[in-house]
Amino acid sequence: ELKVEQNPLFLSMQEGKNYTIYCNYSTTSDRLYWYRQDPGKSLESLFVLLSNGAVKQEGRLMASLDTKARLSTLHITAAVHDLSATYFCAVVSNSGYALNFGKGTSLLVTP
Amino acid sequence: DAGVIQSPRHEVTEMGQEVTLRCKPISGHDYLFWYRQTMMRGLELLIYFNNNVPIDDSGMPEDRFSAKMPNASFSTLKIQPSEPRDSAVYFCASGLPGGGRNEQFFGPGTRLTVL
Repeated sequence: ELKVEQNPLFLSMQEGKNYTIYCNYSTTSDRLYWYRQDPGKSLESLFVLLSNGAVKQEGRLMASLDTKARLSTLHITAAVHDLSATYFCAVVSNSGYALNFGKGTSLLVTP
Repeated sequence: DAGVIQSPRHEVTEMGQEVTLRCKPISGHDYLFWYRQTMMRGLELLIYFNNNVPIDDSGMPEDRFSAKMPNASFSTLKIQPSEPRDSAVYFCASGLPGGGRNEQFFGPGTRLTVL
């Protein structure tokens, strides 16, 4: 069974600070996804990481993938309030197409 | 494209009643997924289809749940009879394995409350 663990699960950070969210998974996979969810809303795709060493950046968010370590990171640079949301990582097993989600990291950015 | 469309957006029903959730995937996408989100269990896959054929239904909780995809533009998830523990947000997602990305796009969800 493919397991996906995120940490931290809750994160309160001040505006302007940097922080990293970690996503570990238990079995081989070469596809990892990051989604954002605002309260009461759907999931919005942020990044698709398809190979070892992949790095994607969008604004203040940067995601990376290390398939050997089975680890992805989502780095937040100079946080702003608009980044407050829940962030999910999800992994697809090599034999399938369904997403296996982590429990999510609830991020609150305060002034 | 309007994205993945789900209906209803909210459903409140009483225990024992039949509930039908509907989904229209993005045109041209040949994969369709049903996920459920609860506070206790997080996001979990219920079933997914490829070209209208169910591929993996191992996440369907029990026989009370059934899903169909009669054509490429429509799918239903039915719960009969419903129970309070079925209360959750049900998401439909569609995807197209183009270039290996296999990216999935989620609908707005149906918030189900079973009293």
